[in-house]
Amino acid sequence: GEDVEQSLFLSVREGDSSVINCTYTDSSSTYLYWYKQEPGAGLQLLTYIFSNMDMKQDQRLTVLLNKKDKHLSLRIADTQTGDSAIYFCAELYSSASKIIFGSGTRLSIRP
Amino acid sequence: GAVVSQHPSRVICKSGTSVKIECRSLDFQATTMFWYRQFPKQSLMLMATSNEGSKATYEQGVEKDKFLINHASLTLSTLTVTSAHPEDSSFYICSARGLDRDAGELFFGEGSRLTVL
Repeated sequence: GEDVEQSLFLSVREGDSSVINCTYTDSSSTYLYWYKQEPGAGLQLLTYIFSNMDMKQDQRLTVLLNKKDKHLSLRIADTQTGDSAIYFCAELYSSASKIIFGSGTRLSIRP
Repeated sequence: GAVVSQHPSRVICKSGTSVKIECRSLDFQATTMFWYRQFPKQSLMLMATSNEGSKATYEQGVEKDKFLINHASLTLSTLTVTSAHPEDSSFYICSARGLDRDAGELFFGEGSRLTVL
């Protein structure tokens, strides 16, 4: 079945690293995404990774992909208050050409 | 980066009326557009996938006669909520994949908040 799972909440101290985890079920997925959503706003594409890659780094963001375990993570280095948002992982099901989203992880930053 | 624009961002209508939401790709040609619905504090639920010039593919449980999708050009897709009822109140978001973009890139509009009275 089509299923993308995330934990619902994460709280980190300002300046620390945040790691948001995601698991998925479709082994034939081609792309996996991380989106950020602030209250009342649309989705901002943060980064995405092709399924033949293990890691992708973009400034403070590091994406790790473990295809064997169907596990995706997003690491945000030096987390700032502006990083407070809901983070969605999503998977492109190549067989159906559609994107399925996880439930979203609400990241909160404490001083 | 690529921009996807939705209009209107907010709309309030009376029960029984129809509402049209537009989704435009501003700086690329969108071969495929997706329409999602998001309930408060929940994830995005895919409603349908539309390819330019062909009929939309609806997800199971989504009424095609209620949510009319038109993708007449490579830069515009519309979602019309027909005979809207209060339970149709939601945040509707479109996304687009481009003809001349990296195959993995998928950009989202700002969303349209529909309130049916």
